[in-house]
Amino acid sequence: NAGVMQNPRHLVRRRGQEARLRCSPMKGHSHVYWYRQLPEEGLKFMVYLQKENIIDESGMPKERFSAEFPKEGPSILRIQQVVRGDSAAYFCASSPLYYASGPNTGELFFGEGSRLTVL
Amino acid sequence: DQQVKQNSPSLSVQEGRISILNCDYTNSMFDYFLWYKKYPAEGPTFLISISSIKDKNEDGRFTVFLNKSAKHLSLHIVPSQPGDSAVYFCAASGKKETSGSRLTFGEGTQLTVNP
Repeated sequence: NAGVMQNPRHLVRRRGQEARLRCSPMKGHSHVYWYRQLPEEGLKFMVYLQKENIIDESGMPKERFSAEFPKEGPSILRIQQVVRGDSAAYFCASSPLYYASGPNTGELFFGEGSRLTVL
Repeated sequence: DQQVKQNSPSLSVQEGRISILNCDYTNSMFDYFLWYKKYPAEGPTFLISISSIKDKNEDGRFTVFLNKSAKHLSLHIVPSQPGDSAVYFCAASGKKETSGSRLTFGEGTQLTVNP
């Protein structure tokens, strides 16, 4: 499967625990984006990363949330001390690096999401 | 600050008829507009896009229209099929040099196509 892989697909945590969500981008893609979808809402941007670099984290809550995309291995979205309001679907997307020539259609390729439930 | 808005949470049409989904935006710096389709428990999948320098893009049964002066775009599906029933998200992106492929999404419209 050459698509964006996310795991776990479902995660249940109790309040105060930590949640770790992993994302492996499509082969050849060097950019990763994390989005959150709360119930009955659209997708909200959280963070945009390249390998070993956070490019834009303007959508990340200031506390408890962090993201990384190491040189080796998947991107990880980490939520510490989870609260009920963190219950949501977390989607990862990837894109290739566009430089100079070639159109930027803006297309992102999404994984199937990780559904976090906080009890 | 909702920069991309889909004012209709749901739309129901008969099979074979036209489905028209609407989207409004406020940021005139958006460079590309996209439509994504999402089935329950799956990730969004790309459907069609349009550059800000165009006013129409067509791909099979799907056509996207862009009215820059009104900051409005629409997705037309004709003829509609029951398999088109899904949530449709409108999205917009800025210049790649500044925001990469970061997308700003609308809230989505649930389309139901009745047989």
